[in-house]
Amino acid sequence: QVQLRESGPGLVEPSQTLSLTCTVSGDSISSGAFWWSWIRQSPEKGLEWIAYIYYNGRSACNSSLKSRCTISVDPSNNQFSLRLTSVTAADTAIYYCARRFGSGANTDWFDFWGQGTLVTVSS
Amino acid sequence: DIQMTQSPSSLSASIGDRVTITCQASQDVRWYLNWYQQKPGKAPKLLIHGAITLEPGVPSRFCGTGSGTDFTFTISSLQPEDVATYYCQHYIELPLTFGGGTKVEIK
Repeated sequence: QVQLRESGPGLVEPSQTLSLTCTVSGDSISSGAFWWSWIRQSPEKGLEWIAYIYYNGRSACNSSLKSRCTISVDPSNNQFSLRLTSVTAADTAIYYCARRFGSGANTDWFDFWGQGTLVTVSS
Repeated sequence: DIQMTQSPSSLSASIGDRVTITCQASQDVRWYLNWYQQKPGKAPKLLIHGAITLEPGVPSRFCGTGSGTDFTFTISSLQPEDVATYYCQHYIELPLTFGGGTKVEIK
């Protein structure tokens, strides 16, 4: 069974960088069969897709986050990570990592999710 | 960005009732539409992809229809374990966006 687990600080100061890692078990990122994603959820914005990445580093970030978003992958450790710079209170949310089904076009559904981790932006 | 509008935002129904949720896209998303169920304190769970395709293991009382801009999600006979918030999500282009959710409760 595929499992994903988010890890990282639960509290980040405004203007600093949010860094999260997702560790995957039960599947191999380097298989190239899937893409790997970050999604967040807040009462204000609801569910928001942030980014996803392929095992070879090919990636996409939500244009609404502009240049603040960086997603990276470490196939050797079966992990992928998110960095979000210059955070504000609006970035306070539950952050989920998830598996995007398939590697081809138009397969953007998320079939396995982590439990989520709450990140609060506050001084 | 494509806006996904769900209605109603919440509903209350009796056990055994038929429940219908609609999702409207601000532009044509063809059949590139997913439905998720989220129970309190849990991550969303994928129920339907491609507007109509039920995920393995999902009860057949759940059903999705529609294409283009108008979609419907139906629970044919509401069960106690169906209490949750339901979300639609398109995937015709980036950024992927979700609807605002429909909270389903038992009357």
